[in-house]
Amino acid sequence: EAQVTQNPRYLITVTGKKLTVTCSQNMNHEYMSWYRQDPGLGLRQIYYSMNVEVTDKGDVPEGYKVSRKEKRNFPLILESPSPNQTSLYFCASSKSGEQYFGPGTRLTVT
Amino acid sequence: KQEVTQIPAALSVPEGENLVLNCSFTDSAIYNLQWFRQDPGKGLTSLLLIQSSQREQTSGRLNASLDKSSGRSTLYIAASQPGDSATYLCAVEGNNRLAFGKGNQVVVIP
Repeated sequence: EAQVTQNPRYLITVTGKKLTVTCSQNMNHEYMSWYRQDPGLGLRQIYYSMNVEVTDKGDVPEGYKVSRKEKRNFPLILESPSPNQTSLYFCASSKSGEQYFGPGTRLTVT
Repeated sequence: KQEVTQIPAALSVPEGENLVLNCSFTDSAIYNLQWFRQDPGKGLTSLLLIQSSQREQTSGRLNASLDKSSGRSTLYIAASQPGDSATYLCAVEGNNRLAFGKGNQVVVIP
């Protein structure tokens, strides 16, 4: 089954404790991206990757890092999480413009 | 920066009525436009993708139009059903980036 998977689905952590949210797709898509969704602000793009080893900032990259060492994986790294990064995070991959989204990761930073 | 607006933010309609959801965007230099459905606490499900060279797309009871010159798209859902209750998101892709509207929250009343 073609899909985008994210782990973990739910995470509660404390300020400053480094964490990684994994994202994997099995559709051989070149383009992958990360979004956060906040009430009243909608979905905003954090980072995107056009292909392996090619990443670029989206609209809200501050406080996040990404890497793209393999085509299928695109992890999101929060090296020192803060409470304002509490949000619902989505990973997506696409081909020919059609976006496929993961199920989301609900992150709470206390 | 691309700005995407969806009006109305929320609406309720009786079952059987046709739904018309509007999306406007500020930069007409787009690659494509995609409509999604999101159920509460869930991920995004792609409904229709319109490439920039196309004027409309149809799938079952759903029809989406695109007018690049005026920066508008309309999602039309015929004969609404309670199962259509959800938030509908419009997303515009350009310059390798995706910009979302804040959504139309729809309730279909049985």
